[in-house]
Amino acid sequence: QSALTQPPSVSGSPGQSVTISCTGISSDGGGYYHVSWYQQPPGTAPKLIIYEVTNRPSGVPDRFSGSKSGTTASLTISGLQAEDEADYYCCSCTSSSSWVFGGGTKLTVL
Amino acid sequence: EVQLVESGGGLTQFGGSLRLSCGVSGFIFTGYNMNWVRQAPGKGLEWVSNIRSDTGATGYADSVKGRFTVSRDDVKNSLYLQMNSLRAEDTAVYYCARDNHWSSDIWGQGTMVTVSS
Repeated sequence: QSALTQPPSVSGSPGQSVTISCTGISSDGGGYYHVSWYQQPPGTAPKLIIYEVTNRPSGVPDRFSGSKSGTTASLTISGLQAEDEADYYCCSCTSSSSWVFGGGTKLTVL
Repeated sequence: EVQLVESGGGLTQFGGSLRLSCGVSGFIFTGYNMNWVRQAPGKGLEWVSNIRSDTGATGYADSVKGRFTVSRDDVKNSLYLQMNSLRAEDTAVYYCARDNHWSSDIWGQGTMVTVSS
């Protein structure tokens, strides 16, 4: 699977919404898209915020939402907060031996 | 508390070897596939390898295939990554992560591997 493409950076003011795209996702051959999103503040380990395209793990605010259209997945953060400033990565898994991350997007809260 | 703790990183020379370990606690290790993911300094995440809990089947990124070997010890609740023929481009923080719903839901704090030429 080829690398996934994300915009290098996005920005928004507190309270606004931002969307990060991830192009080049593939299905697992059975029509399922296993897309996940990770948040990584500077100097910390990544944290899962979206799995299976649209699902949020327990404890992740509902300000974070995921979607997919064709071969592009998207992460939307609404009601932007200062603490959301971080790097965000998408990941696509087409099989148990083929996982690919996007290049990452730096979110700046103005 | 669910926890993953990596160890074994350090400084090694080009062509050398290292064995990373990941100790697991707080969940039933045998119920989960496990991943290794790395991050070069100032760069993005790169999936390295994974291992299934049921069959022990393994997968590798093309960049490490033939040089790295993942294994697990279900008695010791531990995950390992044997890294041979190390190159400068293997310099990175290496994270172990639990595989859940085709995603990595729990991550360790990472261990730094530096390969010098």
